[in-house]
Amino acid sequence: AQTVTQSQPEMSVQEAETVTLSCTYDTSESNYYLFWYKQPPSRQMILVIRQEAYKQQNATENRFSVNFQKAAKSFSLKISDSQLGDTAMYFCASSGNNAGNMLTFGGGTRLMVKP
Amino acid sequence: KAGVTQTPRYLIKTRGQQVTLSCSPISGHRSVSWYQQTPGQGLQFLFEYFSETQRNKGNFPGRFSGRQFSNSRSEMNVSTLELGDSALYLCASSPHAATDEQYFGPGTRLTVT
Repeated sequence: AQTVTQSQPEMSVQEAETVTLSCTYDTSESNYYLFWYKQPPSRQMILVIRQEAYKQQNATENRFSVNFQKAAKSFSLKISDSQLGDTAMYFCASSGNNAGNMLTFGGGTRLMVKP
Repeated sequence: KAGVTQTPRYLIKTRGQQVTLSCSPISGHRSVSWYQQTPGQGLQFLFEYFSETQRNKGNFPGRFSGRQFSNSRSEMNVSTLELGDSALYLCASSPHAATDEQYFGPGTRLTVT
């Protein structure tokens, strides 16, 4: 079984600044994957970044990076140089090696980027 | 490549009716998953199909069912609709069998009155 918790329901950040979204998880899988998805007001869910648990190096994708702390079961997302287009709901999700493509999502964090 | 498409985009049904939603995955993708999104329960996994076989099923009553066709297109059916079934239903496709990036469709907004 997997659980994902996002403790920040809402956050705001000024344009061009940096913001960090928190996520903790729990899993009984020996190998698993972690994801951050973005859902803008248009509702189309988009993958932001993906981390394989057996890789110690933190994943990065342009302005997006993660801080993966496996022992603490923490997987935070850092957005640098925030842009107005980053305004969206952000969901942390996990997937286990024995669970096919089934994703377990956290409750989401609503991020507002202010001009 | 065309993205994941879902039809219809919006639907209004009456309590007690049944509904069928359709999802066409990205060409070449063999895995299709369905999720229900509501303000109260968030995003919840419904089921996943891979090569026409249901591989995983979430904790939903038997009124929720699905299937996948040989061309990978998938349908989900909800019978005897309840007010609580009002939600955004998202479909996601993936090329591989497990733990791969999933590509989501725009969703079908179902309203039950």
